[in-house]
Amino acid sequence: GIQVEQSPPDLILQEGANSTLRCNFSDSVNNLQWFHQNPWGQLINLFYIPSGTKQNGRLSATTVATERYSLLYISSSQTTDSGVYFCAVEDGQNFVFGPGTRLSVLP
Amino acid sequence: DTEVTQTPKHLVMGMTNKKSLKCEQHMGHRAMYWYKQKAKKPPELMFVYSYEKLSINESVPSRFSPECPNSSLLNLHLHALQPEDSALYLCASSQQSGANVLTFGAGSRLTVL
Repeated sequence: GIQVEQSPPDLILQEGANSTLRCNFSDSVNNLQWFHQNPWGQLINLFYIPSGTKQNGRLSATTVATERYSLLYISSSQTTDSGVYFCAVEDGQNFVFGPGTRLSVLP
Repeated sequence: DTEVTQTPKHLVMGMTNKKSLKCEQHMGHRAMYWYKQKAKKPPELMFVYSYEKLSINESVPSRFSPECPNSSLLNLHLHALQPEDSALYLCASSQQSGANVLTFGAGSRLTVL
């Protein structure tokens, strides 16, 4: 099956800073999604981005499918951005999750 | 309605109890999923139902029994669980065609004593 890696595993930022999270995957995919899991466990879909670039407010994402990676950009980070960020790729009928990047934004 | 609703939010059960987790969606999605998530780990797939038929069972022990009564409902029946089964159980749904976007419920946090 497809392997998914994420980096960095942990990230601590001061409020207002920018960051880039990376997701690498081992095979071509038709479906890649980024999720944010808040401290209460809720997983929120941020982007459906099998290729190309999308932006939503302070967040943007880029997937370069031919090179098998995706990037999530967070600008002007806020304390509410804290949590774990997962990328997930579709493999058959399964969605395989990376190990996540744990982000802490300090006030 | 763009929500997946899970009940209960918290459940504490003994090893001899029988309980059920419930999941409901009214987005017309045709695939529904159960994931299990341990602390500081990513979600791991347990079961997938596609058009109300079980299509994936990721070698889950028989003490977990899924049920899909109709296209909007998904249950997970629990019996004779072990303390190591304590985890966050997440239900999700997706359209299964076109932009197949996963939508998750808030989860059911299970503690087995």
